[in-house]
Amino acid sequence: NAGVTQTPKFRILKIGQSMTLQCTQDMNHNYMYWYRQDPGMGLKLIYYSVGAGITDKGEVPNGYNVSRSTTEDFPLRLELAAPSQTSVYFCASNTGLPTNEKLFFGSGTQLSVL
Amino acid sequence: LAKTTQPISMDSYEGQEVNITCSHNNIATNDYITWYQQFPSQGPRFIIQGYKTKVTNEVASLFIPADRKSSTLSLPRVSLSDTAVYYCLFMNRDDKIIFGKGTRLHILP
Repeated sequence: NAGVTQTPKFRILKIGQSMTLQCTQDMNHNYMYWYRQDPGMGLKLIYYSVGAGITDKGEVPNGYNVSRSTTEDFPLRLELAAPSQTSVYFCASNTGLPTNEKLFFGSGTQLSVL
Repeated sequence: LAKTTQPISMDSYEGQEVNITCSHNNIATNDYITWYQQFPSQGPRFIIQGYKTKVTNEVASLFIPADRKSSTLSLPRVSLSDTAVYYCLFMNRDDKIIFGKGTRLHILP
């Protein structure tokens, strides 16, 4: 059971380039989340999804897009990379049950925009 | 949005019990309180969850008073490997899971 898998682990982008951060989970979880974490700071919610075909904005959605065509996959798209998007990105998932079911996190993607 | 407040940092020594308190004045009736631990370069890891009174597992205890406006994570006999950031959070009504700044716990030898 792989859990939550994120690719790539590291990436360097030039300003204005675009890329997609991949996230897939094999636990049949309905809820998936994207967070970013700047050095020495807490996690900020970018986007989340409560099921296939449904996405919603989090705290810091500007500059990002997401899609959820399947239960397993929740890619995060950066269209025009900016230095302010240098961060570590974490994908997470849970069952979304009424209780605050535990989140399972991926190992993260470290992104630098130069 | 519901909000939690925790101390920014704490120091303790190996072998001691560490208590980290989290304030959450506007917690909703259906919200559960959950604590996560994060080591450098890793995603957060679930520690413990509770609704009221006391919950204990193999890692920690969680104390929640009757008014549920705060909670205390208790780590018994900490070791150097407990040095990490600890987050208190709960599910908001609109399904967002928001992390606060967390508490940086530094265990000294």
